[in-house]
Amino acid sequence: GEDVEQSLFLSVREGDSSVINCTYTDSSSTYLYWYKQEPGAGLQLLTYIFSNMDMKQDQRLTVLLNKKDKHLSLRIADTQTGDSAIYFCAERNSSASKIIFGSGTRLSIRP
Amino acid sequence: DSGVTQTPKHLITATGQRVTLRCSPRSGDLSVYWYQQSLDQGLQFLIQYYNGEERAKGNILERFSAQQFPDLHSELNLSSLELGDSALYFCASSVAEGGYNEQFFGPGTRLTVL
Repeated sequence: GEDVEQSLFLSVREGDSSVINCTYTDSSSTYLYWYKQEPGAGLQLLTYIFSNMDMKQDQRLTVLLNKKDKHLSLRIADTQTGDSAIYFCAERNSSASKIIFGSGTRLSIRP
Repeated sequence: DSGVTQTPKHLITATGQRVTLRCSPRSGDLSVYWYQQSLDQGLQFLIQYYNGEERAKGNILERFSAQQFPDLHSELNLSSLELGDSALYFCASSVAEGGYNEQFFGPGTRLTVL
């Protein structure tokens, strides 16, 4: 079945890079997403990658996809206090409407 | 601000009751999705509508139902509420349903069942 897994917590020092990892099981996943949820807010799409790509960079964000291992990562460079949030990895295949979400990784920033 | 609005923001009710959650999609978006976020189940897809018609169903209980109206707003009806229905309910919208269509999420309705 479809499943997306990610670790629950990550703590990094301000200014360091954060790397959030995710694994998925659906080999027909076409789109892979990273969403950010700040306290009391909805989900915000941060970035996405198509399954035929290995890497995508967008300012401080770098997404790496290892399709063979079904592993996705999100790297946030120069992590700031404003990056504190829960980050959800998600996947969808082209024939499906629904997005399958991971459990979310809570990123906390220490001074 | 995603452009998706949800009302009410908070809802507190008792077991056995029925509630209606409302969602207005972004202007021009034809597709509406409902998701439930709870502590034990995480974020789960419930149901999708496109231009008034049901398109996909996820883990939606039989006690729950939804519809999309001609003006494209959608309502999620939850009945015979149980304690376990307490959750954050998100609505999302997208322009279309096929191919890559980004889903924009509303701020959610927090439902507490006492």
